[in-house]
Amino acid sequence: SQKIEQNSEALNIQEGKTATLTCNYTNYSPAYLQWYRQDPGRGPVFLLLIRENEKEKRKERLKVTFDTTLKQSLFHITASQPADSATYLCALDEESGGYNKLIFGAGTRLAVHP
Amino acid sequence: DTGVSQNPRHKITKRGQNVTFRCDPISEHNRLYWYRQTLGQGPEFLTYFQNEAQLEKSRLLSDRFSAERPKGSFSTLEIQRTEQGDSAMYLCASSFLGGEQFFGPGTRLTVL
Repeated sequence: SQKIEQNSEALNIQEGKTATLTCNYTNYSPAYLQWYRQDPGRGPVFLLLIRENEKEKRKERLKVTFDTTLKQSLFHITASQPADSATYLCALDEESGGYNKLIFGAGTRLAVHP
Repeated sequence: DTGVSQNPRHKITKRGQNVTFRCDPISEHNRLYWYRQTLGQGPEFLTYFQNEAQLEKSRLLSDRFSAERPKGSFSTLEIQRTEQGDSAMYLCASSFLGGEQFFGPGTRLTVL
């Protein structure tokens, strides 16, 4: 069956360290993968999109990698800050190259401590 | 504010009642999506519109759920004969063509 897995346990790190979140998927062949941030009681906010032919993408302190062989994406936040504390969701398109019907993972909660 | 808006933000209803939610997407976006999210889970796709055409409904969407986007602008999601299992956050998102989706703040439904 199709599945997207993110670490269900919260990730606790110290301010200034790099946070690394993992997204693994099975039985999909997505054309791209997206990462969203979600704060409690709010809708998700788009962060980054990486395409299947891209290995790595960066935006400010954020970096995403996409390994279609391993069926895995890693999401890094460098020089983390308490304001980065949130739940981070990965999402991929169910139908490669389709109209971007997104399938989301359950998310990983990140807590950055001062 | 030019973001996606949803109304109401919260809805408490009794089991068996009908409820309707509204979503106003970003004005130039031709695609509109509805998702449902329960505690500790990611959003689950419910249905999708391109302009006024509803192109897909998830198997999760029972016959009690109906969505419309009559003029290709705002959309409504109606749930008839609500059940306690319908309690969730209902999220609306919009996009222009593909890629990034912009989400609204959601409507939290509680069915007593």
